[in-house]
Amino acid sequence: AQSVAQPEDQVNVAEGNPLTVKCTYSVSGNPYLFWYVQYPNRGLQFLLKYITGDNLVKGSYGFEAEFNKSQTSFHLKKPSALVSDSALYFCAVRDMGRNTPLVFGKGTRLSVIA
Amino acid sequence: SQTIHQWPATLVQPVGSPLSLECTVEGTSNPNLYWYRQAAGRGLQLLFYSVGIGQISSEVPQNLSASRPQDRQFILSSKKLLLSDSGFYLCAWSSGVVRPEAFFGQGTRLTVV
Repeated sequence: AQSVAQPEDQVNVAEGNPLTVKCTYSVSGNPYLFWYVQYPNRGLQFLLKYITGDNLVKGSYGFEAEFNKSQTSFHLKKPSALVSDSALYFCAVRDMGRNTPLVFGKGTRLSVIA
Repeated sequence: SQTIHQWPATLVQPVGSPLSLECTVEGTSNPNLYWYRQAAGRGLQLLFYSVGIGQISSEVPQNLSASRPQDRQFILSSKKLLLSDSGFYLCAWSSGVVRPEAFFGQGTRLTVV
């Protein structure tokens, strides 16, 4: 069975500081890993994904994430946070099989304070 | 390019009334389709997913059902709504190995009164 853990319900960071949103996963085979962002009353927007290759993947809006197989982690990072980054962030995992659904974590609310 | 349409955006329904939410995808064929529910602005619960016409997998026993009458159409239904069915419903699609990520519709806010 697949699962995702986002250990922090809330992350607060000052504008201009680096941010990290944590994610660990469990999957029986090799994982596809994803990050999404959600603004109030909107659907989820895709930020970035890891399929294979470089452990550091870059995505939209200056976000990046680092895949660590030994720690089964895929933390989301950004070097300098903006107030507009404040939103709900979801990590998701999918087994490398076409017919498996994405499984999401419970989300982490990021607040960037000016 | 691919697009996903989900409607209505908001819906207020009385307890015991039926429900039908529709989702359609354009610009791709044979997508995987998903219905998720999000309660209180938090985690997503997978309700149903489909890998083809007429193929529906249910993840959680619910007062809900899903159907896929056409390749790019996914419908979420209920015969009699409960108060606990209130929530934010999200449709999504994904395809294959090259693009395994899911793309979401804008969601339907359902309030059962």
